[in-house]
Amino acid sequence: KAGVTQTPRYLIKTRGQQVTLSCSPISGHRSVSWYQQTPGQGLQFLFEYFSETQRNKGNFPGRFSGRQFSNSRSEMNVSTLELGDSALYLCASSLAGQGWDTQYFGPGTRLTVL
Amino acid sequence: EDQVTQSPEALRLQEGESSSLNCSYTVSGLRGLFWYRQDPGKGPEFLFTLYSAGEEKEKERLKATLTKKESFLHITAPKPEDSATYLCAVPGGGSNYKLTFGKGTLLTVNP
Repeated sequence: KAGVTQTPRYLIKTRGQQVTLSCSPISGHRSVSWYQQTPGQGLQFLFEYFSETQRNKGNFPGRFSGRQFSNSRSEMNVSTLELGDSALYLCASSLAGQGWDTQYFGPGTRLTVL
Repeated sequence: EDQVTQSPEALRLQEGESSSLNCSYTVSGLRGLFWYRQDPGKGPEFLFTLYSAGEEKEKERLKATLTKKESFLHITAPKPEDSATYLCAVPGGGSNYKLTFGKGTLLTVNP
């Protein structure tokens, strides 16, 4: 079974621009979560989607948004990029999105904001 | 608020030198604890899920255990390829579907 895929793998943007990241979950998985990973803060939860509905959102500004499509694929968007948005953005999928479900991570998208 | 603390932050071992990593947590109503391994520039790779105190799971040189307040990841006779950052995480309670992660332990195994 193919794992979680994320595109693109690397992105370089400048301040003020916006960016869209894509995530394809493992086949059959209906829950997709997004995390931001930085050296100082570690892995921090952004939001979680299940059946096209956002069920939880972390403590991030409204510039961070996401959506999920009917095939469970998900996208996240960051508008008006800031230098501090440079990070590894990770997507994870799980079968039914229950708290105890194992989340499987993709390889991440490395975003650099100049 | 859920909290996960891992120690030590970094650990250097010689090949074959066994040791343990610690993950202590504060969460209302533990529904599981997850261990992941992360190599530089890659996404976390799932290792174990522990659901209740007293539970143990093993995989090759790794053994994870769980008590009511903490979890240990024991590494027996490590090899250089075990070098990675090891992360533990707990799911939120109630209708909270997020994982709260510790900052991780960077393990380096020297040949």
